[in-house]
Amino acid sequence: AQSVTQLDSQVPVFEEAPVELRCNYSSSVSVYLFWYVQYPNQGLQLLLKYLSGSTLVESINGFEAEFNKSQTSFHLRKPSVHISDTAEYFCAVSGYGTASKLTFGTGTRLQVTL
Amino acid sequence: EAGVAQSPRYKIIEKRQSVAFWCNPISGHATLYWYQQILGQGPKLLIQFQNNGVVDDSQLPKDRFSAERLKGVDSTLKIQPAKLEDSAVYLCASSRDSYEQYFGPGTRLTVT
Repeated sequence: AQSVTQLDSQVPVFEEAPVELRCNYSSSVSVYLFWYVQYPNQGLQLLLKYLSGSTLVESINGFEAEFNKSQTSFHLRKPSVHISDTAEYFCAVSGYGTASKLTFGTGTRLQVTL
Repeated sequence: EAGVAQSPRYKIIEKRQSVAFWCNPISGHATLYWYQQILGQGPKLLIQFQNNGVVDDSQLPKDRFSAERLKGVDSTLKIQPAKLEDSAVYLCASSRDSYEQYFGPGTRLTVT
């Protein structure tokens, strides 16, 4: 079984400032890791994923996350946030295999202000 | 390609009534998931289908919840009878390879 801990329920930040959203996971097997973003009244959208290979993964809108196996972490970062990044961010984990389900964290609300 | 479609978007019912949600996955996606997202929490998997067979329904409250996926395409999730604690957003997702799931906009259920 897997579990995900998102340490911060809310992160307020000023526009153009850097941000880090923390995610730690627990699993007895090898995992895949994901970050999803949820804008108000919308479904979840995949932001980025780690399946294998390079431990640093990037999204098209400037976010990046680094898989750290020794610390069982997958923190999400962005060097300069925009107002439009205001949303709920969910970290998720799944085990290897075609039947593996996603286990989500409780989410982090990123609030970007001027 | 068209995304995952869900209907209705919003539903308000009284406790002990029944309700049904519909989901149409992305064409060609064999795997379909239903999640329950209670306010302030992450989504929780209720049931996973592979084509029209159930892969995982371990967290589905089977005394009141049921789901089916006829012909391996669209799916319905039913609650009968509803309880106050069933108030949540019900998300449907689909996947081609189970490594990346695509989510629909969800159905927000309010039970009064």
